[in-house]
Amino acid sequence: NAGVTQTPKFQVLKTGQSMTLQCAQDMNHNSMYWYRQDPGMGLRLIYYSASEGTTDKGEVPNGYNVSRLNKREFSLRLESAAPSQTSVYFCASSESPGAGTEAFFGQGTRLTVV
Amino acid sequence: AQSVTQLGSHVSVSEGALVLLRCNYSSSVPPYLFWYVQYPNQGLQLLLKYTSAATLVKGINGFEAEFKKSETSFHLTKPPAHMSDAAEYFCAVSDYKLSFGAGTTVTVRA
Repeated sequence: NAGVTQTPKFQVLKTGQSMTLQCAQDMNHNSMYWYRQDPGMGLRLIYYSASEGTTDKGEVPNGYNVSRLNKREFSLRLESAAPSQTSVYFCASSESPGAGTEAFFGQGTRLTVV
Repeated sequence: AQSVTQLGSHVSVSEGALVLLRCNYSSSVPPYLFWYVQYPNQGLQLLLKYTSAATLVKGINGFEAEFKKSETSFHLTKPPAHMSDAAEYFCAVSDYKLSFGAGTTVTVRA
């Protein structure tokens, strides 16, 4: 039972490089999310996808793009990485975008931009 | 937009003592509230959630939380604390997405 799988687990980028973080869930969930976690700030929503074919900005979308490739997969792309994007990134999924539904999280991607 | 505020970024308790983590929400309507736990180098795991069925919510591993509308609070408790409870705890509120508090790190002293 894999749940939510993120790749890679660790990544070091140089300023200006690009990369894509991959996320896949096997729970047939409709909604998927990308968060970043920084010390003392909790988790902040970058982008979310309420259902296949839709994406919307969260609290901190600048510098990121997303693609909901299909119902299972939701990728996050950094086009030109900056040191301010050094963070731990979490992908999550839930059955529906409605209130009260539990979100399931991946193990996280620790990204360092130098 | 709905939001939650966690009071205290760090809590230290003795093993066997009560763990109390504070969370207040801002919402004009009854919210859906959650507590998540994050162990070192792991993702988040749901401890419990409030969805208006009962004001006292029991979760996994002996955790409980009480919803108090008059105080706009949803504090988390666990008696007694074990060493294995050392982790970071997040309160969250849900509408179309989860919005998290800043987190409270719990350390347990032997």
